[in-house]
Amino acid sequence: AQKITQTQPGMFVQEKEAVTLDCTYDTSDQSYGLFWYKQPSSGEMIFLIYQGSYDEQNATEGRYSLNFQKARKSANLVISASQLGDSAMYFCAMRDDLITGNQFYFGTGTSLTVIP
Amino acid sequence: NAGVTQTPKFQVLKTGQSMTLQCAQDMNHEYMSWYRQDPGMGLRLIHYSVGAGITDQGEVPNGYNVSRSTTEDFPLRLLSAAPSQTSVYFCASRQTQLQGTNTEAFFGQGTRLTVV
Repeated sequence: AQKITQTQPGMFVQEKEAVTLDCTYDTSDQSYGLFWYKQPSSGEMIFLIYQGSYDEQNATEGRYSLNFQKARKSANLVISASQLGDSAMYFCAMRDDLITGNQFYFGTGTSLTVIP
Repeated sequence: NAGVTQTPKFQVLKTGQSMTLQCAQDMNHEYMSWYRQDPGMGLRLIHYSVGAGITDQGEVPNGYNVSRSTTEDFPLRLLSAAPSQTSVYFCASRQTQLQGTNTEAFFGQGTRLTVV
């Protein structure tokens, strides 16, 4: 079963606008972590933001925030004031704390294009 | 700040050839893993290790071997390359997970492998 679902293969946003990238996850455990990574065209994986399942407040890191809705099992990434450099592939990932090895499960990604 | 170092960055193999992708980290992380990234499929876990001498299979282990003789190194071996193994390979490392904490995965730069 798919652990992480990203339903938006591609998104476009006007420069300086905000954009939300969707992510839903599937787990029956109470303890887990949620992550977002950015992959620019150069190929490296860049960590953006983390949300723990027990964190009561939504995580924020600069222009990135994570809209965590536990009951709906969603962990959407919000990028405010988009910049041209935000054009990249974005991956949502989950670390399942009670699974042996605690490996990360990744979604299929969303390609974001920022339009000048 | 070396972080996670993968070599080579690019490789072309003929069907049936074998090779080893190298991965080294200098952060004293116990957990290391190998992923392959294919278009539309996100990152899929091949093998992982929770410490020296301990390895286990991930989601797509067939055709690959790993070993972990030291904390720093986690090589991935392709035994007999097939065109289906054409992909981008990422090595990642992180601290051993502590529940509720941010244990982001640090990624290498990736290896683009083509099997002809």
